[in-house]
Amino acid sequence: DQQVKQNSPSLSVQEGRISILNCDYTNSMFDYFLWYKKYPAEGPTFLISISSIKDKNEDGRFTVFLNKSAKHLSLHIVPSQPGDSAVYFCAAIVAAGNKLTFGGGTRVLVKP
Amino acid sequence: SAVISQKPSRDICQRGTSLTIQCQVDSQVTMMFWYRQQPGQSLTLIATANQGSEATYESGFVIDKFPISRPNLTFSTLTVSNMSPEDSSIYLCSVGGGGQNYGYTFGSGTRLTVV
Repeated sequence: DQQVKQNSPSLSVQEGRISILNCDYTNSMFDYFLWYKKYPAEGPTFLISISSIKDKNEDGRFTVFLNKSAKHLSLHIVPSQPGDSAVYFCAAIVAAGNKLTFGGGTRVLVKP
Repeated sequence: SAVISQKPSRDICQRGTSLTIQCQVDSQVTMMFWYRQQPGQSLTLIATANQGSEATYESGFVIDKFPISRPNLTFSTLTVSNMSPEDSSIYLCSVGGGGQNYGYTFGSGTRLTVV
């Protein structure tokens, strides 16, 4: 049972344009949602998070939107830069359990 | 946030042997987490390691196959025992989950290939 899904395995975008990454979840008990970026041969790096009581969180070029009724969240990267080329993972947590559940990842390629 | 040193970064091992992966954290942490990322797959939690108690394993993972040690609040090891090619994966340790953003920190990973 995959509780967190990223249905797009890859995304290609031109430098300067917007990248939109999507994530769906099934467990309504998830209390917090996080996005991680992963380069090859490195561990995932925390990017941005959002509480389930909010619908938007912004940090510089990165904005995460949460639609709780649809059990859907998205990450917007504006403007996209070549250094953003990486695999992005959506993750969720039921706060009390302290266990991260990851989606399958989306590989983003930003073309110069 | 914490800094994690994970060793080895990669290894090629013969089937039937065991490999021990080490994670050293630059600060004391209550819980450490061990994940596996199989080729082309997402990250899956293997177990949660608390200092002073036995690790808690997720469904599908057992202590005999993945014994974990947690001798103090800054260090943990994961052993992959009696390896088979199916164990070829990236193994990662992680700490954190506190604070306002629940931002967990990950080690750089160990890329294991079993031949």
